[in-house]
Amino acid sequence: QSVLTQPPSASGTPGQRVTISCSGSSSNIGSNTVNWYQQLPGTAPKLLIYSNNQRPSGVPDRFSGSKSGTSASLAISGLQSEDEADYYCAAWDASLKGVFGGGTKLTVL
Amino acid sequence: QVQLVESGGGVVQPGRSLSLSCAASGFTFSSYAMHWVRQAPGKGLQWVAVIWYDGSNKYYVDSVKGRFTISRDNSKNTLYLQMNSLRAEDTAVYYCARDVRDYGDYADYWGQGTLVTVSS
Repeated sequence: QSVLTQPPSASGTPGQRVTISCSGSSSNIGSNTVNWYQQLPGTAPKLLIYSNNQRPSGVPDRFSGSKSGTSASLAISGLQSEDEADYYCAAWDASLKGVFGGGTKLTVL
Repeated sequence: QVQLVESGGGVVQPGRSLSLSCAASGFTFSSYAMHWVRQAPGKGLQWVAVIWYDGSNKYYVDSVKGRFTISRDNSKNTLYLQMNSLRAEDTAVYYCARDVRDYGDYADYWGQGTLVTVSS
């Protein structure tokens, strides 16, 4: 099982707001920043959110991230069909390893 | 633009070795740490290893420690992953990814991946 815990699935209708949670521990999320990746079907992961709540150039402001203690969350507002993808949280661990969540499959109904 | 191209994947028998390469272009390769991340078929992402910008530090996930070796040749802008004593559970798409810093932090650019299948 993954070091970071995410719900395996999430869903919403177009225009809705959905959130995806990511739970870790004091050795990873609690002491380092959280990053989020989006993986569209059949493609490589793409950086979506870095340093808890920063968006790389080109990522729509519909995507936002937050962190509190040993948990983080990704919010997607104004859900669109092209947002259907797998989403992964990630962080650096104090044991000098990278850690990922198990991924959340987002379905747009 | 940043480009990462993995190669070297294929089918290999359990217990054998395989070497992956990642050719980098579009940025100053020697200034960035680099990662290998893998994804088993139908599964999530798993971080495998990281190497500092100058090769001075290397860290691995426990399941590959002692079997895999990450290295780099900054003169050739190339990242490597030497995989020995391969097991069925190493079957995955292997991605190389660039870190945003010269030490391990997080990856911003990813290659398209190369598939490694360990099977008899």
